[in-house]
Amino acid sequence: DAGITQSPRHKVTETGTPVTLRCHQTENHRYMYWYRQDPGHGLRLIHYSYGVKDTDKGEVSDGYSVSRSKTEDFLLTLESATSSQTSVYFCAISEENTEAFFGQGTRLTVV
Amino acid sequence: DQQVKQNSPSLSVQEGRISILNCDYTNSMFDYFLWYKKYPAEGPTFLISISSIKDKNEDGRFTVFLNKSAKHLSLHIVPSQPGDSAVYFCAAFSGGYNKLIFGAGTRLAVHP
Repeated sequence: DAGITQSPRHKVTETGTPVTLRCHQTENHRYMYWYRQDPGHGLRLIHYSYGVKDTDKGEVSDGYSVSRSKTEDFLLTLESATSSQTSVYFCAISEENTEAFFGQGTRLTVV
Repeated sequence: DQQVKQNSPSLSVQEGRISILNCDYTNSMFDYFLWYKKYPAEGPTFLISISSIKDKNEDGRFTVFLNKSAKHLSLHIVPSQPGDSAVYFCAAFSGGYNKLIFGAGTRLAVHP
């Protein structure tokens, strides 16, 4: 299995609070991604990174920010969580045009 | 604007028969395509891929076909087994910075 760890695995938070999800890899892969999975929508790309300090928006980036200060870590921040951000979040890593490996997911509930 | 489309939310197939999952895309810049399988409460796992310079790739029971002129790809599973029951996602890399886009998924049920 690819060395990719997401933390926390589960989180319940209140509306309006900030939340940070962490993705850590030990594979030294260049590309990292954050997705959310919701029924009927599949996996939607939030943000991705193509190198340290290099990030770009995905399909559903509103309300989310990311940072990548080291190759191994990619952080996803919800500045002020809303109920619509209740979802399962997946991190993935890849090299150029090769399969991406996914983490186990983080289940986030915003109440 | 959904660039990768899986128009069938679900598919039911009898064990031993062929499963065919379909995927359409709109962006002609996509140059590498992948299929993933996902079980509940787990991350997606890679199944098979195909480059835009090919029209077919096989790996055991799994074959992916790419029709660039129709912007369509399909995954064939033969013979289908009950353990293949899962959600299948089609995905595509959009050149440049390796942006990876997924479809909405198709839930496959293989019954005895």
